[in-house]
Amino acid sequence: EDQVTQSPEALRLQEGESSSLNCSYTVSGLRGLFWYRQDPGKGPEFLFTLYSAGEEKEKERLKATLTKKESFLHITAPKPEDSATYLCAVRAFSQGGSEKLVFGKGTKLTVNP
Amino acid sequence: EPEVTQTPSHQVTQMGQEVILRCVPISNHLYFYWYRQILGQKVEFLVSFYNNEISEKSEIFDDQFSVERPDGSNFTLKIRSTKLEDSAMYFCASKGTGAGELFFGEGSRLTVL
Repeated sequence: EDQVTQSPEALRLQEGESSSLNCSYTVSGLRGLFWYRQDPGKGPEFLFTLYSAGEEKEKERLKATLTKKESFLHITAPKPEDSATYLCAVRAFSQGGSEKLVFGKGTKLTVNP
Repeated sequence: EPEVTQTPSHQVTQMGQEVILRCVPISNHLYFYWYRQILGQKVEFLVSFYNNEISEKSEIFDDQFSVERPDGSNFTLKIRSTKLEDSAMYFCASKGTGAGELFFGEGSRLTVL
């Protein structure tokens, strides 16, 4: 069964204090790893898609990387507005051509001014 | 920027009542989905819809659930006889191409009393 585990569950940072969030996954065959941002009471907001080990993508203070077993979301010099829950999800190969995403529980990031 | 819109934002209903949640996906997208998130838990896949038919559904999506695309713009989720455990945030999502990313709406919060 496809599984996604995110760590830590919660992370508190001071403004400007860089850190990384981890997403470990077990899938039969990866068809994409996705990072989303979710604000309280809102829908997931798309950030990145990664498809193969070694791939990296950047957007402002965020950088996502991918290996064969995990992905990291690096946050450089975060600001209070980066506070949110960051969700990782995978889409796996399947005989039936599954389209579903399997999500992790997320990492709740709080950035204090 | 194109977005997925959902109505209502919050619905309160009595157990056993029928509920219809509505979604307007991004206009040129071809793949449509419903996910749900029970408070404090993971985002879970319910159903995917492509070419006017269900392409995949989860174990959660039993006979009490149905989806419909009644016209060229709306995509609906119907829960025939709601249960207390159906209380959750329901997210509609859409995707343009097979390998693309999902874009989520802001969600419809369903409270079953």
